[in-house]
Order: sequence, then C-alpha cells, then structure tokens
Amino acid sequence: AQSVTQLGSHVSVSEGALVLLRCNYSSSVPPYLFWYVQYPNQGLQLLLKYTTGATLVKGINGFEAEFKKSETSFHLTKPSAHMSDAAEYFCAVTEGAGTALIFGKGTTLSVSS
Amino acid sequence: KAGVTQTPRYLIKTRGQQVTLSCSPISGHRSVSWYQQTPGQGLQFLFEYFSETQRNKGNFPGRFSGRQFSNSRSEMNVSTLELGDSALYLCASSDGTELYNSPLHFGNGTRLTVT
Repeated sequence: AQSVTQLGSHVSVSEGALVLLRCNYSSSVPPYLFWYVQYPNQGLQLLLKYTTGATLVKGINGFEAEFKKSETSFHLTKPSAHMSDAAEYFCAVTEGAGTALIFGKGTTLSVSS
Repeated sequence: KAGVTQTPRYLIKTRGQQVTLSCSPISGHRSVSWYQQTPGQGLQFLFEYFSETQRNKGNFPGRFSGRQFSNSRSEMNVSTLELGDSALYLCASSDGTELYNSPLHFGNGTRLTVT
C-alpha cells in the first residue's frame, strides 16, 4: 500500500532563510508526486507535481522539489522564505491511473521576521 | 473560470442527525472527489464521482455517501452523525483523466461540527 511520510510536523525559519520540507514515499510502482499548500481557512492549492522526466520540478511561488528514486524522497525547497509562505504543506502520491491522492500528515511552516 | 464552490462553509449538527454538503466543480470538470480533513487523521479520501458514477471509494463506513448530478455538481451525505465526524470536508474537481495529467482543484471546504 502506498504511504507518504512528512518528517517534522512543524518547521520554523527566518525570513530570507532556506526552506526545506521533507517527504518520503512508499510505493511499489513508480509514483506520481505532488506538493499542495493550505492557507488558513482555505482549501489546498497545487504547488508542483512530478510525473516523469526531469527530476527537479519547479512550481509556483519560487518552490521546487527534487525526485530521488534511490532515496524514495521528494523534498520541497525554497531558497529564501517570505512571510507569506507561512502555511501548511502537504505531500501526496498517486499511482498510475489512480484517481485518489494519499496525503502525508502535513508540515506547518512558520516564518519569522 | 470560477473555482470549486462548496456550500455551506460552516455547519453545526447534533449526534444522530444527518447532513448534506454540496459542491460545484470548475466548469468543464467531470470528476468530483471528496476528502475529510481532521487534526488526528489528516486528509483522507472519501470517494470520487465521474459522469454520475462512483469510480473510486475510500475506507469509510456506509454512513458516508455521495452522488453526482448530470451537471457534475456533487453532494455528500453523512447519516447518523457521530462526534468523530467533525471535520473539514473538502471537495476537489478535475477533468477526470489521470491525476498526473489533471491535478485536483480544491474548494475551501465545509467545516462540520457535531455536538
């Protein structure tokens, strides 16, 4: 069965610092991976997705993620944090023609000035 | 295009009652999925409808049901409410092809509180 593990339920950074949110997946077949962001009292917004091809994926708002098959990881990074990045971030996986996402527990990102 | 619209935004119900939540997908989207979000269990898939047929179902009891209409609008029903059903219920739509081609677009959710 598929699963997604997000290490660290809460990450705190200073404005301008590097953001690193960790995600590891467990899948018996090549996965399709996603990162979503959720702001307070809102739904989820897609940041980026990995399907096939280039392992470094660029998303919106300056975020990117790298798919590493050998490490079964898909960590999310941003070179310089902004106050507006404070939100909850979810890593998710699906397989093949699947129509359901399996989500990690989420990581809350706090950004201080 | 208008986004995914969920109504109502907030609901308060009593144990034992039933509730119906509504979702209007993005125009042109034929697939509607429902997810439950709680602090303890996180985001969990409930079910997915495509062209008025349930195409996929998560691991939830039969008290949770849904349907989709010919205009792709969807409703979700929970009968005999329990305290543990208190959650944010999120609806998401897509064009119905594989998620790697057509990712989900989420609504802002309905916050259900069961007392």
